Amino acid sequence: KNEVEQSPQNLTAQEGEFITINCSYSVGISALHWLQQHPGGGIVSLFMLSSGKKKHGRLIATINIQEKHSSLHITASHPRDSAVYICAVSLTGTASKLTFGTGTRLQVTL
Amino acid sequence: SQTIHQWPATLVQPVGSPLSLECTVEGTSNPNLYWYRQAAGRGLQLLFYSVGIGQISSEVPQNLSASRPQDRQFILSSKKLLLSDSGFYLCAWSPRRTGSTEAFFGQGTRLTVV
Repeated sequence: KNEVEQSPQNLTAQEGEFITINCSYSVGISALHWLQQHPGGGIVSLFMLSSGKKKHGRLIATINIQEKHSSLHITASHPRDSAVYICAVSLTGTASKLTFGTGTRLQVTL
Repeated sequence: SQTIHQWPATLVQPVGSPLSLECTVEGTSNPNLYWYRQAAGRGLQLLFYSVGIGQISSEVPQNLSASRPQDRQFILSSKKLLLSDSGFYLCAWSPRRTGSTEAFFGQGTRLTVV
């Protein structure tokens, strides 16, 4: 069993829909990252969380440390949001070495 | 501001050929440096990390090696590529501050071994 599990693996939505991507982890962490990988491969860091909630534009990330769970929400989705969204965690005591989920492939259609 | 450069973006290499991928960081000093690989259908996996010049730790046994000849330069190499070395390679850095969990990523290199 992977230490970081994401769901769903694939997600198709229509433009304007509210999207939620989930991440569960089974180990102690010092931080959780949400990353975006576009088809060309480049990775962009969206959020780093250790507690609570963060918002940036139409993106919202939440984390529940007790439940070992995080969600990434996209409001008013747009085709340009189509990408792979990756959850990664910094394990407690391992500095910034990251353990990654396998990603959620999001396709937003018109 | 800090930036990270990784090149090339894509690479097609024959089996048995050597490999050299380079990553450089600007705008910071004494960074922790990382090489990750994403094989087809799998998540990114840590290959190597470095906390200083000449200091390399390997996370998984493999056909690759890493070197850090300068503080902000991290190189991933192979003497003879295997088909199984194909994948997406990502360089990353983090500040060496105690307790820091920030991470910054390069654009990645998609390697296809044929």
